[in-house]
Amino acid sequence: EAQVTQNPRYLITVTGKKLTVTCSQNMNHEYMSWYRQDPGLGLRQIYYSMNVEVTDKGDVPEGYKVSRKEKRNFPLILESPSPNQTSLYFCASRAGWQGFSGYTFGSGTRLTVV
Amino acid sequence: KNEVEQSPQNLTAQEGEFITINCSYSVGISALHWLQQHPGGGIVSLFMLSSGKKKHGRLIATINIQEKHSSLHITASHPRDSAVYICAVRMYSGGGADGLTFGKGTHLIIQP
Repeated sequence: EAQVTQNPRYLITVTGKKLTVTCSQNMNHEYMSWYRQDPGLGLRQIYYSMNVEVTDKGDVPEGYKVSRKEKRNFPLILESPSPNQTSLYFCASRAGWQGFSGYTFGSGTRLTVV
Repeated sequence: KNEVEQSPQNLTAQEGEFITINCSYSVGISALHWLQQHPGGGIVSLFMLSSGKKKHGRLIATINIQEKHSSLHITASHPRDSAVYICAVRMYSGGGADGLTFGKGTHLIIQP
C-alpha cells in the first residue's frame, strides 16, 4: 500500500531533550515536507526537500533540523525542544519537483513538550 | 507571501444539502489543493487544480485563476462528509521557495 509512515504517533518529552520524528514513504517520491498544525494558525510548513541532499526552509524552520540522505526518509529533528514546539506534526510527499501531483500525508505526530 | 482565506470558517448543514466552501488567495499560483482532515486528524488530498474544474464522486472543485478564487462543492451531503476542509496553494513549480500555504480550514458538520 502506498503510504507515508510517521513515528511515533504520540510523544511527550521534556524541554531540552533531543528527539527525532521519523518519516518514510514507499512511493519513490522526490518531494517531501514537514508541517506543523496549531489551533487558530492552521498548517504551516517547517522544511521541505526536493530530492536527496536537497533541503530548504519553509515558513517556520526555527528550532528544527532535517536531513535527506535517502529518497524514502525525511526525519525531523528537534535538537532542544521547547514548549512552544508542542504541536501536531505532519509529513507529506509528492511525486516530481514540478509539483503537478497530489500530496500524500502521514498520520501525524502529536508532540507535547513539558 | 500568499494569503489564503477560506469561508465560511464553520458550517453546519442538514444531510442532503448542497455545500459550498470558498477559497481566495492573493498572489498567482501554480496549483491549488483541497484537503480533507477527519476528526481523527489524518489528512487526505482531495483535488489538485491548476485550471477549470474537477469532479470525484459527490465532490466538485473549481478554480478561477483570473479572480484568484476556488470553490469546493459537496452534493447530497452526508454525515460522513463531516470534516475540516483545507485549501492550500503552491506558488512555484521549482526553484526557490517551494511548498504549500494553507487556509485555516472550514469545519463542516452534516447533521442527519
